[in-house]
Amino acid sequence: AQSVTQLDSHVSVSEGTPVLLRCNYSSSYSPSLFWYVQHPNKGLQLLLKYTSAATLVKGINGFEAEFKKSETSFHLTKPSAHMSDAAEYFCVVSENNQGGKLIFGQGTELSVKP
Amino acid sequence: ETGVTQTPRHLVMGMTNKKSLKCEQHLGHNAMYWYKQSAKKPLELMFVYSLEERVENNSVPSRFSPECPNSSHLFLHLHTLQPEDSALYLCASSRDSGGNYEQYFGPGTRLTVT
Repeated sequence: AQSVTQLDSHVSVSEGTPVLLRCNYSSSYSPSLFWYVQHPNKGLQLLLKYTSAATLVKGINGFEAEFKKSETSFHLTKPSAHMSDAAEYFCVVSENNQGGKLIFGQGTELSVKP
Repeated sequence: ETGVTQTPRHLVMGMTNKKSLKCEQHLGHNAMYWYKQSAKKPLELMFVYSLEERVENNSVPSRFSPECPNSSHLFLHLHTLQPEDSALYLCASSRDSGGNYEQYFGPGTRLTVT
């Protein structure tokens, strides 16, 4: 069975400092992994995805994530936070044999202080 | 914009009302999804359609009735809802229903049941 755990429900950083949002997953098969972002009163937007190609994945808005199979982790990072990065972030796992079923983490709310 | 639109954006309905949510995708995708997002809970997958056929129904109460007349349109018909059904309902689409295809989300319908 697959599952995903986001280790922090809330992260607060200062503008211009690095961002780290942590995600661990559990999967029986070769997983696909995604990070989505949701700004207030908006739908979810795809930041990046991993599908068994390069383990370091670059996404939009300067975000990237590294797939580490040995640690079953897929942490999201950004070198320098911007005020517009304040939002809810979701780590998502999908198994390729599960017909498109995405399993969402509970979300991490990112706050960015001026 | 992601190419997935939802109407209405906000809906208030009484427990005896009947209403419908509409979703339209302009991406040429073959799969469409309904999700429920409640406060402090992970996203819950409700229904999956692939090429207009329902392929997944995640134990959703019968007061929620989906309809997919073609691959571009998806409806969620609502009747005799309960206050606990108040949530953000998100529609998504993907190229196909395989697990490695990213899903594109609409902005959601904020539903309040009084």
